[in-house]
Amino acid sequence: QQQVKQSPQSLIVQKGGISIINCAYENTAFDYFPWYQQFPGKGPALLIAIRPDVSEKKEGRFTISFNKSAKQFSLHIMDSQPGDSATYFCAASIGNTGFQKLVFGTGTRLLVSP
Amino acid sequence: DTAVSQTPKYLVTQMGNDKSIKCEQNLGHDTMYWYKQDSKKFLKIMFSYNNKELIINETVPNRFSPKSPDKAHLNLHINSLELGDSAVYFCASSQLAGVMTEQYFGPGTRLTVT
Repeated sequence: QQQVKQSPQSLIVQKGGISIINCAYENTAFDYFPWYQQFPGKGPALLIAIRPDVSEKKEGRFTISFNKSAKQFSLHIMDSQPGDSATYFCAASIGNTGFQKLVFGTGTRLLVSP
Repeated sequence: DTAVSQTPKYLVTQMGNDKSIKCEQNLGHDTMYWYKQDSKKFLKIMFSYNNKELIINETVPNRFSPKSPDKAHLNLHINSLELGDSAVYFCASSQLAGVMTEQYFGPGTRLTVT
């Protein structure tokens, strides 16, 4: 129940295309869903995050779509660029503990071809 | 200017040895974390400290012992190293211990046990 399932494991997209990464969860107590971006040799960095009371959040070319009833959320990268090539992790945490304990998905390695 | 720093960046050691990884953050954050990222890139929380107090302690062998001498530092000591301990270890920090807060990750320490 603490798992977050992420797909696909890897993704190749042409420059200018749309990258879509999907995540699913079981625990309905999760109430915060961030996406982290990790470049090779670096630590993950927060990209965008959403609460389940909204269905979509957009920041520049990055959009999170959230489907509470289906317990799924996804990251869309519009106009994908070679600089977006990285590993993307979805995550979830529970608020009632008072502390942030992130459960990460298994990661998606994105390659944007020039 | 480094927000979260870790030393060393690389650590190669033999089975049975004891080693430490140091982490420092200059962001003024109250909460710090240790994560383990395995060879498949799976990222899992190990420990979290808030104001020098342990708040998250995942199912980690007791050979791993975190120590927080002050709010800005969280070190990880590992006794009797095993082959399975080989991984990248990330330190992270956040301003608040609450749910919706960004975690800032360090650059990681790649531990190789031979």
